[in-house]
Amino acid sequence: QVQLVESGGGVVQPGRSLRLSCTASGFTFSDYGMHWVRQAPGKGLEWVAVISYDGNYKYYADSVKGRFTISRDNSMNTLYLQMDSLSAEDTAVYYCAKEDTNSSFSFDYWGQGTLVTVSS
Amino acid sequence: QSALTQPASVSGSPGQSITISCTGTSSDVGSYNLVSWYQQHPGKAPKLMIYEDSKRPSGISNRFSGSKSVNTASLTISGLQAEDEADYYCCSYAGSTTWVFGGGTKLTVL
Repeated sequence: QVQLVESGGGVVQPGRSLRLSCTASGFTFSDYGMHWVRQAPGKGLEWVAVISYDGNYKYYADSVKGRFTISRDNSMNTLYLQMDSLSAEDTAVYYCAKEDTNSSFSFDYWGQGTLVTVSS
Repeated sequence: QSALTQPASVSGSPGQSITISCTGTSSDVGSYNLVSWYQQHPGKAPKLMIYEDSKRPSGISNRFSGSKSVNTASLTISGLQAEDEADYYCCSYAGSTTWVFGGGTKLTVL
């Protein structure tokens, strides 16, 4: 069965960096695009970034462009999100999500999320 | 990349039908047949309920249906059940390989 397990969250000071990981299993990781989606406490979902199946194409939400970098290691079945210049507005649960098998434009499996708290 | 507009809350009694709207613009919802809907129970990850405006993934009850008219997509849940109580989010492809979510709707089953 498909499993996505995020890790790397925690408390970080404003202006600092953090790297999240998402380890995938149960499907051929290298066949699918992967996304990061976040959810601030008590708020709605916000799409953050996507990476193509081969890692050659990466796109970002305006709110994180220039500060966050999405990457993947297909040999390790792992997705990453490097987050730099963090601010309080980046406090959220970060989910990794798999591109839908039936449609490249939706997300059919999600991890359980990892909480990032930006606070001094 | 402005969020799609959803009602903050809707409610219904068991057995009834409810509809949640999701309004975007001609740049997102109105440009593509690529609206998806997600159900999220408290403390849980979102779950895909509808993709490409009106298609149901395998394993999703046919009580859930999606539709779209111009810039507004809708999720209808028929035969409401207690387990349907959750937050629901719409999401649309917004062009240039970006996506936009709605603000979410809390469904209460009375």
